[in-house]
Amino acid sequence: EIVLTQSPATLSLSPGERATLSCRASQSVSNYLAWYQQKRDQAPRLLIYDTSNRATGIPARFSGSGSATDFTLTISSLEPEDFAVYYCQQRYSWPPTFGGGTKVEI
Amino acid sequence: QVQLQESGPGLVKPSETLSLTCTVSGGSISNYYWSWVRQPPGEGLEWIGYVFYTGSTNYNPSLKSRVTISVDTSKNQFSLKLSAVTAADTAVYYCARGLRAYTYGPWDYWGQGSLVIVSS
Repeated sequence: EIVLTQSPATLSLSPGERATLSCRASQSVSNYLAWYQQKRDQAPRLLIYDTSNRATGIPARFSGSGSATDFTLTISSLEPEDFAVYYCQQRYSWPPTFGGGTKVEI
Repeated sequence: QVQLQESGPGLVKPSETLSLTCTVSGGSISNYYWSWVRQPPGEGLEWIGYVFYTGSTNYNPSLKSRVTISVDTSKNQFSLKLSAVTAADTAVYYCARGLRAYTYGPWDYWGQGSLVIVSS
């Protein structure tokens, strides 16, 4: 199965700053990479799918980029509600897998 | 607005079978892939498997021997059964809908999650 490695494990930033989260795949996943946001005691929320497509209702400050094995989620200017855990997920091959998560904290 | 709601026992004894149902409201269960995803306390996410509205299924190989997912289109529900559970199966179990007709995610609608504890 494809292993997704996220870095850093924790990102300490302030509101208004730019956040850059990384996801690296153990083999190519083409562009079939998604990002989710999860707040404490809530279900994951789909942010980005197929590398760079924002899901319905997701603000433009969230953007995704990358290809093959290296992907990035960028939050251009952190809002207070953006402090959460972020997961990447690949759908290129069975079984679908998730990264271990990056916590964005104040 | 599509909503998903998990239901089932919150406590299961070791070696027994975990059973959960997901009720879909605000939309039809037809034409989508419906998955179960779990998350042990303080840990990451693991895909368990999916069912298509036709009844076809696919499971994570790590759980395949113990998992059954089924669908009841008349009730707009799908269900998870996980047999021979151990403490390692303690987790929050989420049901989720695949975006468009995608099989392996991503998932755009999720239930709130159901915590299942395996303990005697």
